[in-house]
Amino acid sequence: GENVEQHPSTLSVQEGDSAVIKCTYSDSASNYFPWYKQELGKRPQLIIDIRSNVGEKKDQRIAVTLNKTAKHFSLHITETQPEDSAVYFCAATSGTYKYIFGTGTRLKVLA
Amino acid sequence: DVKVTQSSRYLVKRTGEKVFLECVQDMDHENMFWYRQDPGLGLRLIYFSYDVKMKEKGDIPEGYSVSREKKERFSLILESASTNQTSMYLCASSPPGEGGKLFFGSGTQLSVL
Repeated sequence: GENVEQHPSTLSVQEGDSAVIKCTYSDSASNYFPWYKQELGKRPQLIIDIRSNVGEKKDQRIAVTLNKTAKHFSLHITETQPEDSAVYFCAATSGTYKYIFGTGTRLKVLA
Repeated sequence: DVKVTQSSRYLVKRTGEKVFLECVQDMDHENMFWYRQDPGLGLRLIYFSYDVKMKEKGDIPEGYSVSREKKERFSLILESASTNQTSMYLCASSPPGEGGKLFFGSGTQLSVL
């Protein structure tokens, strides 16, 4: 069945450094790719998303890139801050109601 | 701002009990979802509903059922709770159509003893 692989499972970076999280999807019909951030004890919240007709999208310190040919997409966080520490989930959907989520990346930003 | 409210933050039940998890959203969203979140497994879809009284199985529906009698409310039912259903349960809603943004509730941490 469809799946989304997410790497790494944990990531530690020094404050101010960049962080990159990568996801690979299997369903070539996928056309919407959101990223969710879940802080400890809180609900997942959408931080950025990208649709298949776009290769890159930026929002301040975060960006997402999409390579449809290789079927992978990545989250980039620049100038990391302690409040970026959280679990990040990628997801893919082909326009059905079923989102396939990655297994999550625990990001720690070290002060 | 969209609000998705889950009735309980923590719940402790015994094996064999019938368990109801309630979710209410206030944005008139057609689509509602129940996910289960386990460490290392991410979010897995249990059931979703795209309209009142409509429901579709997700990836792991076994041992669960759902009810959507009103647009704003989506209930997850564990007919006979088992220890392997100990988990964090997340409800979500999304606006009409497909591929839209999911709004999550705060989650219910269910422990089955």
